[in-house]
Amino acid sequence: AQSVTQLGSHVSVSEGALVLLRCNYSSSVPPYLFWYVQYPNQGLQLLLKYTTGATLVKGINGFEAEFKKSETSFHLTKPSAHMSDAAEYFCAVSEGNSGYSTLTFGKGTMLLVSP
Amino acid sequence: KAGVTQTPRYLIKTRGQQVTLSCSPISGHRSVSWYQQTPGQGLQFLFEYFSETQRNKGNFPGRFSGRQFSNSRSEMNVSTLELGDSALYLCASSGAFSGTGYEQYFGPGTRLTVT
Repeated sequence: AQSVTQLGSHVSVSEGALVLLRCNYSSSVPPYLFWYVQYPNQGLQLLLKYTTGATLVKGINGFEAEFKKSETSFHLTKPSAHMSDAAEYFCAVSEGNSGYSTLTFGKGTMLLVSP
Repeated sequence: KAGVTQTPRYLIKTRGQQVTLSCSPISGHRSVSWYQQTPGQGLQFLFEYFSETQRNKGNFPGRFSGRQFSNSRSEMNVSTLELGDSALYLCASSGAFSGTGYEQYFGPGTRLTVT
């Protein structure tokens, strides 16, 4: 069974600072990896998705994620935080060979941005 | 394209009652998945429907059921509601498999409160 671990339920940064949200996955086969963002009282919005063969994936709103197979990690970064980035972020995986679209989510990381 | 829509957005029910939630996927998407989101358990997969057939099911009691219609719209039903069923219920639709897996697009959710 696959699992996703997000380190830190809350991460606080100052506006303009680097954002780093950590995600590690456990899967018996190379999974498909995603980052989603959730703003208050809203559904999940797809930020970015892993593309096979890539190590750095670019998403919307200036976010990027680096895939490291050896570390089974898919950390999310943004060079400069903006107040509007304050939200909850979820890392998710779906198993590569299952034929299903089912997502397994991490517990989420709440990003707090201070002026 | 219009996004995933869910109705109703908010619902208050009493213990023991039943409830039906509705989801309309993105046009052309044949897969619909349902997830339950609670503060304690996070995001948990309920079930997935594809072409009117349940393709995958999570670990939830039989009180939770769903169905999909020929136009890909889906409903989920919860019978004999319990206080612990209070949650945000999210519907997601996905299209054909791609090189990045099945990308799921989420609706805004239905907030169910059981009193």
